[in-house]
Amino acid sequence: AQSVSQHNHHVILSEAASLELGCNYSYGGTVNLFWYVQYPGQHLQLLLKYFSGDPLVKGIKGFEAEFIKSNFSFNLRKPSVQWSDTAEYFCAVNGGQGNLIFGKGTKLSVKP
Amino acid sequence: ETGVTQTPRHLVMGMTNKKSLKCEQHLGHNAMYWYKQSAKKPLELMFVYSLEERVENNSVPSRFSPECPNSSHLFLHLHTLQPEDSALYLCASSQVFGTGMTYEQYFGPGTRLTVT
Repeated sequence: AQSVSQHNHHVILSEAASLELGCNYSYGGTVNLFWYVQYPGQHLQLLLKYFSGDPLVKGIKGFEAEFIKSNFSFNLRKPSVQWSDTAEYFCAVNGGQGNLIFGKGTKLSVKP
Repeated sequence: ETGVTQTPRHLVMGMTNKKSLKCEQHLGHNAMYWYKQSAKKPLELMFVYSLEERVENNSVPSRFSPECPNSSHLFLHLHTLQPEDSALYLCASSQVFGTGMTYEQYFGPGTRLTVT
C-alpha cells in the first residue's frame, strides 16, 4: 500500500539555522511528490512539487527539495530559516485515484 | 471568491443532529475531495469525486454521506456522529487526467467540527 513517512514530529530551530525535513514514500508507480505547508490558522498551501526532470526542485520562500529515487526520499531543505517559517509541513505522494497520500506532518518551531 | 471555500468554518453539533458541510471551488477543476484532519494523524482521505462521480469511498462510516451535484460543489452530510468524529474537515479540488494523476490539490480553510 502507498504510504508516506515523515521522520520528525516536531523540530525546533533558531533563526538562521539550516533545515532539513525527511520524507520517505512507498509507491510502486510513477510518482508525483509534494510538500505542503500549513501556517497557524491558515489553509494548506503548496510549497513545491516534483513531477519529472531535475530532481532538485525549488519552491516558494526559499525552500527546495531533492527527489532521490534510489532512497524513495523527497527531503525538504532551507539554508536559513526565519521565525515566519513556523508552521506544520506535510509531504505527500499521488495516490493513483487523483488523491494525495499525506505523511503525519512535521511541526517546525523557529525561535527568534 | 477565489480558490476553494468552505462553510461553515466552525460547527458544534450534538450526536443526534443532522448537519451539512459545504464546499465550493472556483478553479474549474474536475475533481473534489473530502479529507479529515485529526491531531497526531495523517490527513485521511474520505471521499473522491472525479467528474462528479464518486471514485473512492475510503471505508468511511455511513454516518458521513457525500454529495456532488456538479463539478464546483461538494457537500458532506452528517448524522448521528460520535465524539471521535470531532476534527477539521478539509475540502480540496484538483484537475485530474485520464491516468488518474493530479498536478496538485488546492485546499479550503476547513470546517472545525465538534461533536458533543
